[in-house]
Amino acid sequence: NAGVTQTPKFQVLKTGQSMTLQCAQDMNHNSMYWYRQDPGMGLRLIYYSASEGTTDKGEVPNGYNVSRLNKREFSLRLESAAPSQTSVYFCASMGVGQPQHFGDGTRLSIL
Amino acid sequence: GDSVTQMEGPVTLSEEAFLTINCTYTATGYPSLFWYVQYPGEGLQLLLKATKADDKGSNKGFEATYRKETTSFHLEKGSVQVSDSAVYFCALSAGGSYIPTFGRGTSLIVHP
Repeated sequence: NAGVTQTPKFQVLKTGQSMTLQCAQDMNHNSMYWYRQDPGMGLRLIYYSASEGTTDKGEVPNGYNVSRLNKREFSLRLESAAPSQTSVYFCASMGVGQPQHFGDGTRLSIL
Repeated sequence: GDSVTQMEGPVTLSEEAFLTINCTYTATGYPSLFWYVQYPGEGLQLLLKATKADDKGSNKGFEATYRKETTSFHLEKGSVQVSDSAVYFCALSAGGSYIPTFGRGTSLIVHP
């Protein structure tokens, strides 16, 4: 019963480096999401994928790209990391008419 | 657009105290309402939900009632424990939307 699995759990990058955050779900959910969580800011939606083959921007998409690789996997890429992207990143999935299921997060620091 | 407003924290209580965390919402139609809990270092987990007016969601001693007339979904627990210390998020999901709307979260700290 893995649910939503995120890798890595922790990462430190230097400004300008790139990296991809991975997310996979085993609940056969159609929709998947990437959020960032910053102190005092709650959850902010970066990108989402309503179904396999589609992706759309959320509230704070600048500096990020996503790929819905298949129904299970939804990755988030930072092409040129900036200190403002230091945050905790959460992936979530959701079935029709159901609540969201969240991963345990990736803690990303950019120096 | 849809929105969720919840009381700011932190809420600090002694063990066995009564808890209320207020949540009000604005939405078109008849959304489903949720409370999520986030323990330190973890992701959000669904705590309880209600899908129509006057429904009461409950789990682990927590309760919340979907009040359409006051557009509210307040979270309550009769006797909190130190292990309830966490951040609590109120959220709604409107029919036909892929994007749930979250409140900003309320931190609860319970002292022994």
